[in-house]
Amino acid sequence: DAGVTQSPTHLIKTRGQQVTLRCSPKSGHDTVSWYQQALGQGPQFIFQYYEEEERQRGNFPDRFSGHQFPNYSSELNVNALLLGDSALYLCASSLGGDTQYFGPGTRLTVL
Amino acid sequence: QKEVEQDPGPLSVPEGAIVSLNCTYSNSAFQYFMWYRQYSRKGPELLMYTYSSGNKEDGRFTAQVDKSSKYISLFIRDSQPSDSATYLCAMSANAGGTSYGKLTFGQGTILTVHP
Repeated sequence: DAGVTQSPTHLIKTRGQQVTLRCSPKSGHDTVSWYQQALGQGPQFIFQYYEEEERQRGNFPDRFSGHQFPNYSSELNVNALLLGDSALYLCASSLGGDTQYFGPGTRLTVL
Repeated sequence: QKEVEQDPGPLSVPEGAIVSLNCTYSNSAFQYFMWYRQYSRKGPELLMYTYSSGNKEDGRFTAQVDKSSKYISLFIRDSQPSDSATYLCAMSANAGGTSYGKLTFGQGTILTVHP
């Protein structure tokens, strides 16, 4: 049984560019949450998707947007990249409100 | 003030030692408490999950929650070099009658267990 998968593994972008990160949830899970983890810090909640709708959002600007597809997979989009957006982006999946399981993350570097 | 405070360490102990990791929190709405382990350049892995106050044991790991003091702990007995990782506490509130919602994490404690 495949766990949570994310792509790509690493990504390098320049300031002002846009990026799309992808996540496939664990089999049987219907809820996807996204987190940003800066170096040396704990993950920070970006938003959560359930039934293709954004259900809850953390303290992140509108440059961060997302989408959930009918097969429960999800994308995270970040526009107008800033140097401060460099981080590990984590996707977590769960079945409704149950325990969240994390993927390996996508490491984004903004130059 | 951060909602969840965790001593970042680093913590270095000899193999076989008992390790104590702690977090304090300020939001009394938190009902669900978790400990995750994160190896270098990997995603967090769930270790322990507890609801409300009390103790929960799983092998060498014991999670403790004291809601009256807003304090949670993770104890690792007979620590092994393979336990070397960053340990993250996480919490969530009960929103709208369900347990869905965001996890609020501590900063993480870096643990090294040396042979």
